[in-house]
Amino acid sequence: NAGVTQTPKFRILKIGQSMTLQCTQDMNHNYMYWYRQDPGMGLKLIYYSVGAGITDKGEVPNGYNVSRSTTEDFPLRLELAAPSQTSVYFCASRRQPRGSKNEKLFFGSGTQLSVL
Amino acid sequence: DAKTTQPNSMESNEEEPVHLPCNHSTISGTDYIHWYRQLPSQGPEYVIHGLTSNVNNRMASLAIAEDRKSSTLILHRATLRDAAVYYCIHLSHASGGSYIPTFGRGTSLIVHP
Repeated sequence: NAGVTQTPKFRILKIGQSMTLQCTQDMNHNYMYWYRQDPGMGLKLIYYSVGAGITDKGEVPNGYNVSRSTTEDFPLRLELAAPSQTSVYFCASRRQPRGSKNEKLFFGSGTQLSVL
Repeated sequence: DAKTTQPNSMESNEEEPVHLPCNHSTISGTDYIHWYRQLPSQGPEYVIHGLTSNVNNRMASLAIAEDRKSSTLILHRATLRDAAVYYCIHLSHASGGSYIPTFGRGTSLIVHP
């Protein structure tokens, strides 16, 4: 059981370049999330999705875009990379039956991104 | 919005018990309390969760206050591999009936040999 898989693990971008961080899960989870973690800080939510075709902004969405065309995949797009987007990015998923709030999160191993 | 408060760091000696506190005074009556930990250079991983009663699993115990405004994660015998950042979270209600896990800065646990 692979769980949540993120690629790439590391990436260096130049200012203004674009890239897509990939995230896929094989647990048939309806909820998926993208977080970023700056050094010494907690995780901040960028975007989340409650199911295929549905996405919504989190706390820090500016400079990012997402799509959710399938249950399994939730890619995060950076269009014009900026130094402020240097961070570690984590994708997570969880199953949420209607009315339930007790399902646990599963995280990927992260993508370390540097924008120079 | 739902918010949790934890000490920035705590220290322990190996093989001693560790009690990691968390305040969650805004928690609603149906919110579960979840604990995750993040080992160095890894993504967070689930530790334990509970609603009202104390909970035990192979990793830890969770003691929940009667008024549910605080909880304590208990590691019965700390090992060097338990050195990590521990997060106490619950789900914030978002628009459309969805729930968002919100992470604070957590508690950095240092374990001394």
